[in-house]
Amino acid sequence: DAKTTQPTSMDCAEGRAANLPCNHSTISGNEYVYWYRQIHSQGPQYIIHGLKNNETNEMASLIITEDRKSSTLILPHATLRDTAVYYCIVGEYGNKLVFGAGTILRVKS
Amino acid sequence: GAGVSQSPSNKVTEKGKDVELRCDPISGHTALYWYRQSLGQGLEFLIYFQGNSAPDKSGLPSDRFSAERTGGSVSTLTIQRTQQEDSAVYLCASSFGQGGQYFGPGTRLTVT
Repeated sequence: DAKTTQPTSMDCAEGRAANLPCNHSTISGNEYVYWYRQIHSQGPQYIIHGLKNNETNEMASLIITEDRKSSTLILPHATLRDTAVYYCIVGEYGNKLVFGAGTILRVKS
Repeated sequence: GAGVSQSPSNKVTEKGKDVELRCDPISGHTALYWYRQSLGQGLEFLIYFQGNSAPDKSGLPSDRFSAERTGGSVSTLTIQRTQQEDSAVYLCASSFGQGGQYFGPGTRLTVT
């Protein structure tokens, strides 16, 4: 599986958009970009995934660059409950997930 | 609808004993995964079932670990002769098609 690079931590003000970057320069053509998050003491939560096109759901938006070497997860109006570790993972769909260290997002009031 | 459920939520066992952990995936999900997360560590893949295909066992750390999935639904992860380093939260997830994986709440295993 391709590796990803994410910042170790980020802060965001409550109510503002949180933009979490991810680099995946070695992604192959059939690999998707998946985002998950893990709130303290809970199991990981699926957020969104995409292949080439930008995607949006009720939780977030995913922006993938045209060359697919990087992506950004956008939480449009962050709340205190969005404080979590966010994981960017690339892989073929239906395959196992290889979790890295992720980004610790702290939403502050 | 109902999510992934796991039982027990907590398990304390003595070193050397066998344990069984259960996972009930979301109905209709064809793929089922087991992961574990040790204290302060990242999530580690263990095993993956997809439909009737042979499972991907590449993440199992030793031959003391095994898993089965009966009838394409419920799965049981068995750890024989438990060791202290087996202490972790064991997480199960299920998915359908190209969708994301949906995780259960996990089983916290403590080996004393």
